[in-house]
Amino acid sequence: EAQVTQNPRYLITVTGKKLTVTCSQNMNHEYMSWYRQDPGLGLRQIYYSMNVEVTDKGDVPEGYKVSRKEKRNFPLILESPSPNQTSLYFCASRTGLNTGELFFGEGSRLTVL
Amino acid sequence: AQTVTQSQPEMSVQEAETVTLSCTYDTSENNYYLFWYKQPPSRQMILVIRQEAYKQQNATENRFSVNFQKAAKSFSLKISDSQLGDTAMYFCAFMKQVGKGRGTGNNRKLIWGLGTSLAVNP
Repeated sequence: EAQVTQNPRYLITVTGKKLTVTCSQNMNHEYMSWYRQDPGLGLRQIYYSMNVEVTDKGDVPEGYKVSRKEKRNFPLILESPSPNQTSLYFCASRTGLNTGELFFGEGSRLTVL
Repeated sequence: AQTVTQSQPEMSVQEAETVTLSCTYDTSENNYYLFWYKQPPSRQMILVIRQEAYKQQNATENRFSVNFQKAAKSFSLKISDSQLGDTAMYFCAFMKQVGKGRGTGNNRKLIWGLGTSLAVNP
């Protein structure tokens, strides 16, 4: 089954404790992206990657890191989480072609205390 | 700045009736894509329908159809014969080109509206 898998789905952590949210897709997609979703602010792009070893900042990259060492994986790293990073996070992927359809993971609810 | 506006934060409809969600966008581009995504209570975002700007014909997917008015920059979603499972947040999105990326092909970015929460009542 074609899917984007994120882990963990739920996480409560404390300020400053490094964490990683993993994302993996099995569709051989070139493009992958991370979004955060907050009430009243909609979806905002954090980082994206157009291919292996190619990553770029989105609209709200501060406080986040990503890596793309393999085509299927695109982890989101919070080196020193802060309460303003409490949010719902989505990983998404699509082909590099001009189709545009994004396939989303199920979301990761992160709470930073 | 390119924006996407969904003017209806919340809507409700009776089961089996028809509802239309509005979306307007602002762009100076001529070729682009427009999307409606659905986010049910389970949270996962799912593509509902896609429209290519160069196509005059409105896209249709079963009970979902769009009214694409390019000159007016309007892209509304019509849901016919509403079902309880249509209860969800609906997001309109516009895909713009942001220039040459360092990877394969051109870089394109989705600009999202803030969403319309639709409740289908029994």
